[in-house]
Amino acid sequence: DAGVTQSPTHLIKTRGQQVTLRCSPKSGHDTVSWYQQALGQGPQFIFQYYEEEERQRGNFPDRFSGHQFPNYSSELNVNALLLGDSALYLCASSRGQRGYTFGSGTRLTVV
Amino acid sequence: SQQGEEDPQALSIQEGENATMNCSYKTSINNLQWYRQNSGRGLVHLILIRSNEREKHSGRLRVTLDTSKKSSSLLITASRAADTASYFCATDALGGANSKLTFGKGITLSVRP
Repeated sequence: DAGVTQSPTHLIKTRGQQVTLRCSPKSGHDTVSWYQQALGQGPQFIFQYYEEEERQRGNFPDRFSGHQFPNYSSELNVNALLLGDSALYLCASSRGQRGYTFGSGTRLTVV
Repeated sequence: SQQGEEDPQALSIQEGENATMNCSYKTSINNLQWYRQNSGRGLVHLILIRSNEREKHSGRLRVTLDTSKKSSSLLITASRAADTASYFCATDALGGANSKLTFGKGITLSVRP
């Protein structure tokens, strides 16, 4: 049973560019949440998708947007990248009251 | 914003010793969860304790929750070198359809062989 799969593992982007990160949830999970983890910090909640809709959103600017597809997979898009967007981006899937399963993350470096 | 604050920030112990990590939080919660992270990779869920529970066990892990003090502790007994990692507590204020996790900054645990 595959866990949460994230791609790519690493990527480097230039300031001002746009990036798309992808997440495939664990089999049987229908909810996908995205977190940003800066170096030396705990993860911070970006947003959560359920039934292809954004259900909750954290304190992140509109440059951060997402999408969930009918197969429950999800994308995180970040526009107009800033140096401060450099971080580990974590995807977590869940279903109902069950706990979260996290992916290994995508390490984004903005130069 | 960070809800939980873990204490200590770093902990170094000898293999076989017990490791105790503490977490304090600010607002009421539905549940509290502990996660482990190895070398900046993905988070691994360790244990979840609900607001109406006081203590839970899972293998070598024991977690307690004191909602009156808004605090939790994670005890790892008979530690192993493989337990070396960062540990995070995360609170879920509402649970259910409004579930989302708010993490602390984490504790770095080093277990010396």
